Amino acid sequence: SSELTQPPSVSVAPGETARITCGGKTFGSRSVHWYQQRPGQAPVLVIYYDTARPSWIPERFSGSNSGNTATLTISRVEAGDEADYYCQVLTMFGGGTRLTVL
Amino acid sequence: QVQLQESGPGLVKPSETLSLTCTVSASSINLFYWSWIRQSPGKGLEWIGYIYSNGSTKYNPSLESRVTISVDTSAKKFSLKLKSMTAADTAVYYCARGSTWYDFWGQGTLVTVS
Repeated sequence: SSELTQPPSVSVAPGETARITCGGKTFGSRSVHWYQQRPGQAPVLVIYYDTARPSWIPERFSGSNSGNTATLTISRVEAGDEADYYCQVLTMFGGGTRLTVL
Repeated sequence: QVQLQESGPGLVKPSETLSLTCTVSASSINLFYWSWIRQSPGKGLEWIGYIYSNGSTKYNPSLESRVTISVDTSAKKFSLKLKSMTAADTAVYYCARGSTWYDFWGQGTLVTVS
């Protein structure tokens, strides 16, 4: 089992805001990174260093990290955002969260 | 855009050694870290290890006794060897750039142990 805890699934209607959490005892000052993985595809980096966004990721994606919980927030959710999302701290990955767009 | 491409056998017999290579394009291989990550069918992601362009390595403690990662900077390739393969090693194997986070990934290659 992963030491980074993510909810198995999150569901949201199109246009709404999705929040995916990642909890762990080992955060401390560690940074959290997030990946999106669509079915049959490789993971794609969406957030690094807690809040930074690669140039190819839309502004709708944002991240935060406070205490022992990090959150990936996806605003104005679209059908194309439906995917598995993984958090990462150091060499550990969370178990993943399946985002379903209703 | 940086591209990575894994290559190697898709089928390995139990007890044999897996050898995979990742070819890097549109990026210098120097001054970067390069990683291997795997994903068992229907499961999450597992970090295997990384190598710096100077050849220094770090491995997942759970796999360290069986893993070797090497780099050929002139060919812009890095490689993974995983010995004593078992069914539990069946997974999609990804190569990626980075060690703190992974900004570019290969498409992945499915390796079945049977």
